[in-house]
Amino acid sequence: DSGVTQTPKHLITATGQRVTLRCSPRSGDLSVYWYQQSLDQGLQFLIQYYNGEERAKGNILERFSAQQFPDLHSELNLSSLELGDSALYFCASSVGQTGNTIYFGEGSWLTVV
Amino acid sequence: QKEVEQDPGPLSVPEGAIVSLNCTYSNSAFQYFMWYRQYSRKGPELLMYTYSSGNKEDGRFTAQVDKSSKYISLFIRDSQPSDSATYLCAIVDTGRRALTFGSGTRLQVQP
Repeated sequence: DSGVTQTPKHLITATGQRVTLRCSPRSGDLSVYWYQQSLDQGLQFLIQYYNGEERAKGNILERFSAQQFPDLHSELNLSSLELGDSALYFCASSVGQTGNTIYFGEGSWLTVV
Repeated sequence: QKEVEQDPGPLSVPEGAIVSLNCTYSNSAFQYFMWYRQYSRKGPELLMYTYSSGNKEDGRFTAQVDKSSKYISLFIRDSQPSDSATYLCAIVDTGRRALTFGSGTRLQVQP
């Protein structure tokens, strides 16, 4: 158990809908990262927050957004969902801003039908 | 060209074999090097972390970094069926702060 908690574990939704994925980082960690893993794309970095502020941005679509709250939990919002958004979404956390040792949650499996 | 290249495998070895997993990278600004293990779509688990050229050993696992060649390796000695998983190398450029992952190598250890 990495100490990073993600909910929900699985969800199925229709195209065009919006979902929110939730992440609680390990105790004491200030950075939260979101990654997307699909079969053909591997593990893709989406976005990083550090202590409530956006720190780095990767290949995140404009339909997706994230935030980190004062209690350090984070949410990833996915809207206008398309079939191609079906993937495992991982949250990870680390103590500092530099992602040299990050710990992953178990992921949220999103299926868009 | 991808920033981190990793042979996708699958790599199949008999139990007890020495396994060598490799990645190459293109960005000389990369400073930190990690290996993660991922079981069947579970969360990646951090195995090894190093920031310097040379070897780092932890039990049956040895991580090797050659910055001059931009080449990193993970060796697994006395491989076990429980080592069957996908192994991902990950590299971070401190300027970017986020890990860049290789595509992963699927390893199968046959009993």
